[in-house]
Amino acid sequence: QQQVKQSPQSLIVQKGGISIINCAYENTAFDYFPWYQQFPGKGPALLIAIRPDVSEKKEGRFTISFNKSAKQFSLHIMDSQPGDSATYFCAAPLGGGGNKLTFGTGTQLKVEL
Amino acid sequence: DVKVTQSSRYLVKRTGEKVFLECVQDMDHENMFWYRQDPGLGLRLIYFSYDVKMKEKGDIPEGYSVSREKKERFSLILESASTNQTSMYLCASAQGEMSTDTQYFGPGTRLTVL
Repeated sequence: QQQVKQSPQSLIVQKGGISIINCAYENTAFDYFPWYQQFPGKGPALLIAIRPDVSEKKEGRFTISFNKSAKQFSLHIMDSQPGDSATYFCAAPLGGGGNKLTFGTGTQLKVEL
Repeated sequence: DVKVTQSSRYLVKRTGEKVFLECVQDMDHENMFWYRQDPGLGLRLIYFSYDVKMKEKGDIPEGYSVSREKKERFSLILESASTNQTSMYLCASAQGEMSTDTQYFGPGTRLTVL
């Protein structure tokens, strides 16, 4: 059973547009929500992360919005560029020792010219 | 920079063969992970190791085993490969046990079992 539910599975955005990827979770014990970015032929890499004590975190064109009451968080990519074309994964820590993560199913983003 | 390397980018094996996937990290990280990545299923944890010779099952350990004899090296073993183990395999490492410790991934091994 998926502990973080991610949507959409794929997304096509025009250059300069806003890309929005959503994730929902049930476990209120989750205390950290990272997003990983994966380019074709590469492993995922940490993009941006948020803790649930803030509602928003911004790094350049990437913003995480967090809604604790709704148990949802989303990644917004402003002024999307073709170089942003990648697969994005949301994640949350499983706890229980070590920093195991549970990942969403991924969103394949394509930014068209 | 942290570097996680995997022994092969592409591997083709036959059903029933024993398969070894090797992963090496160069940052003295305590924790290492093996995931498989399949379209529509995301990343699923196979096994996790938090110290030399220590391991813990992940979500999908069936058909796999692991070995960690040295801190920097974590091996995934398919005792008898089957076609349903055709997948992308990703290794990762992380410094400690904090939930905020970043996982660093290798480039992956695409395994095809015929």
